[in-house]
Amino acid sequence: EAQVTQNPRYLITVTGKKLTVTCSQNMNHEYMSWYRQDPGLGLRQIYYSMNVEVTDKGDVPEGYKVSRKEKRNFPLILESPSPNQTSLYFCASSLGTGGYNEQFFGPGTRLTVL
Amino acid sequence: AQSVTQPDIHITVSEGASLELRCNYSYGATPYLFWYVQSPGQGLQLLLKYFSGDTLVQGIKGFEAEFKRSQSSFNLRKPSVHWSDAAEYFCAVVILTGGGNKLTFGTGTQLKVEL
Repeated sequence: EAQVTQNPRYLITVTGKKLTVTCSQNMNHEYMSWYRQDPGLGLRQIYYSMNVEVTDKGDVPEGYKVSRKEKRNFPLILESPSPNQTSLYFCASSLGTGGYNEQFFGPGTRLTVL
Repeated sequence: AQSVTQPDIHITVSEGASLELRCNYSYGATPYLFWYVQSPGQGLQLLLKYFSGDTLVQGIKGFEAEFKRSQSSFNLRKPSVHWSDAAEYFCAVVILTGGGNKLTFGTGTQLKVEL
């Protein structure tokens, strides 16, 4: 089944404790992206990757890192999480980078930073 | 910068009634337009999209949307709502920049369906 998977689905952590949220897609997609969803703000892009070893900042990149060493994986790294990073996170992927390409979303990771 | 406005935060309709969710965007040219639905505890699912051509587009689950250039709108409609349509709906646009196909989302409309 074609899908985007994220792990973990739920995570509660404490301020300053490094964490990684994994994202993997099995559709051989070039483009991958991370979004965070906050009430009243919709989804905002954190980082994106147009291909292996090609990543760039989105609208809200502060406090996050990403890497794209393999085409299928795009982990989101929080080196020193803070409470304002408590949010619902979505990974997405699409076949190409053209605007007409549908983005497929993972199920989300709900992160709470205490 | 481009923006997407969904003026209705919450909407309640009765099952079987018609539905229209509003979406306005700000951008000089015609963007790529999308509607996504998010059911509770789920990821986002694409309902429909508009790129060019016929301004009335059909999507999944009986939804349709109409692009009106003069009003910069892309409203979502359904003639008869089912209880299972209760969810949050997001309008989104893509403006091609050096950053590929970044989606800019509206803030969402929460739909409640009364039985």
